[in-house]
Amino acid sequence: GENVEQHPSTLSVQEGDSAVIKCTYSDSASNYFPWYKQELGKRPQLIIDIRSNVGEKKDQRIAVTLNKTAKHFSLHITETQPEDSAVYFCAASRDFGNEKLTFGTGTRLTIIP
Amino acid sequence: TAGITQAPTSQILAAGRSMTLRCTQDMRHNAMYWYRQDLGLGLRLIHYSNTAGTTGKGEVPDGYSVSRANTDDFPLTLASAVPSQTSVYFCASSDFGTAKAFFGQGTRLTVV
Repeated sequence: GENVEQHPSTLSVQEGDSAVIKCTYSDSASNYFPWYKQELGKRPQLIIDIRSNVGEKKDQRIAVTLNKTAKHFSLHITETQPEDSAVYFCAASRDFGNEKLTFGTGTRLTIIP
Repeated sequence: TAGITQAPTSQILAAGRSMTLRCTQDMRHNAMYWYRQDLGLGLRLIHYSNTAGTTGKGEVPDGYSVSRANTDDFPLTLASAVPSQTSVYFCASSDFGTAKAFFGQGTRLTVV
């Protein structure tokens, strides 16, 4: 089955700086890579996702890059703000038929004002 | 739109007792999932259902059972709770042909 590793487990950045979270996956057939944000006591919420036919996707201050050859993908948050403080999870799956997400272990991001 | 609703939001349960966690979705999604979230371990899949009438085992199924009698409901049952089942449980759903999952608000379960 799929195995997803996520680093770092904790990350602190100064407000306004950029944050990068990295994930690697094991199943070369995986082709769907979402990122979820979970605020304290809340449910995980999808913030951005990418499929294997593209190498990068942006949505305002967040972007995801994918390197299929190396089997890794990254979340980039620019101009960080206090509301970006949360736990972020990466995940991977085959996105056809009825496939299920395998999650990384999460990164606790703290934005220092 | 309600999306996915879980009940209860929290529960303290005596070891050895049984309990059913409820999950209902109104998005007519084919697939539903149960995850448990433990500190440092992320979200681990317990059981899933690709469509009404079918279920499957995930990564950590032992001690749990599920049923999918209809599209909207996917209850998770603990037959005889143990302290290691103390966790936050999330129900999720996704539409046919995609793994893009939407989560319920979670149930915090403490087994004492």
